[in-house]
Amino acid sequence: LAKTTQPISMDSYEGQEVNITCSHNNIATNDYITWYQQFPSQGPRFIIQGYKTKVTNEVASLFIPADRKSSTLSLPRVSLSDTAVYYCLVGDWDSNYQLIWGAGTKLIIKP
Amino acid sequence: KAGVTQTPRYLIKTRGQQVTLSCSPISGHRSVSWYQQTPGQGLQFLFEYFSETQRNKGNFPGRFSGRQFSNSRSEMNVSTLELGDSALYLCASSQGQTAYEQYFGPGTRLTVT
Repeated sequence: LAKTTQPISMDSYEGQEVNITCSHNNIATNDYITWYQQFPSQGPRFIIQGYKTKVTNEVASLFIPADRKSSTLSLPRVSLSDTAVYYCLVGDWDSNYQLIWGAGTKLIIKP
Repeated sequence: KAGVTQTPRYLIKTRGQQVTLSCSPISGHRSVSWYQQTPGQGLQFLFEYFSETQRNKGNFPGRFSGRQFSNSRSEMNVSTLELGDSALYLCASSQGQTAYEQYFGPGTRLTVT
């Protein structure tokens, strides 16, 4: 079964670019890699999703190398409101299809 | 559109009892997934229902079960509660495949004493 590894925590400052990397081996070949954001006392919120190379939307970019063994979420010019826990999510097939969530990276943005 | 709703928001039960949690997905979403979130184990996938059929299942004991109704609303049941079942139970809905964009509810905080 696939395993995911993310840094437990990261600190940055307002206005900086933040990159969070998730390592994931043995993921399903034809499946997306997805990232979510979670604030305290709320459910996770979808940020971005990609299959390979680079995807960009209005809030983030996602970089996925050709071997798909990792993915990097890039948050441009963060603000205090980006303080949250960020999860990567991948799929894998064991006896059946499984969703594997990363343990989450607690990102703290300082003024 | 209204978001995903979960009831109740908070619940306190005694060890050995059973509990049923409810989830109403976003209108038009046919997939409902359930997750358990604890500080020690993080987010763990319980199961997913699509058109009233369980499509995927995580590695949880048979005490955890669920169902989905024809209107896509879903319930999750935990029997013979254990202290370790204390957690935030999250429901998420999506239009199609589970691995795609999911919308989460606020969760039900279950405390087992």
